[in-house]
Amino acid sequence: GAVVSQHPSWVICKSGTSVKIECRSLDFQATTMFWYRQFPKQSLMLMATSNEGSKATYEQGVEKDKFLINHASLTLSTLTVTSAHPEDSSFYICSAPTVRGSYEQYFGPGTRLTVT
Amino acid sequence: GIQVEQSPPDLILQEGANSTLRCNFSDSVNNLQWFHQNPWGQLINLFYIPSGTKQNGRLSATTVATERYSLLYISSSQTTDSGVYFCAVSNDYKLSFGAGTTVTVRA
Repeated sequence: GAVVSQHPSWVICKSGTSVKIECRSLDFQATTMFWYRQFPKQSLMLMATSNEGSKATYEQGVEKDKFLINHASLTLSTLTVTSAHPEDSSFYICSAPTVRGSYEQYFGPGTRLTVT
Repeated sequence: GIQVEQSPPDLILQEGANSTLRCNFSDSVNNLQWFHQNPWGQLINLFYIPSGTKQNGRLSATTVATERYSLLYISSSQTTDSGVYFCAVSNDYKLSFGAGTTVTVRA
């Protein structure tokens, strides 16, 4: 199957700082990627759609100024959590559909963010 | 968005037992996927099954699109099958996830 990587795997930052998370498609090109967040013992919630070469689209209730998304190439999307606060601590996961003409998606291994 | 309900929420099995997990969804879909989330959080693709039946080793899945449900079967369960199983659906590329079924397989 298709491979999606994320970096870093985990990060600890201080309140008020910004953190950048990378999502890469390793063996296919992805014009669209998706960012999800998952709180402990809960399900995944879609945050935003990352579009290569254009602005991201955000789901209702997600602050676009807090969660900056950039999709600068066909294999890389970045999520920057700006002015992080403890309530932003979560597990962030990206996904991408393959280019085989199906809707099947593959997920990255996730990034665990802890804001102290 | 599409509503997704999974049942049961928790399942405790003895090693070697068989089980069925269910996923109901509220609208027609062109994508239905089953995932297993391992202890490190990685989502492992089990099946891409918007309709029909598929099998992969001890796992199989059936989706009846007209009745808006999907079933995941685990046969001869092993302790490595433990974890959370998610069903996710969409009628575009945006996946809506169910709450998951937590499976615990005891030796």
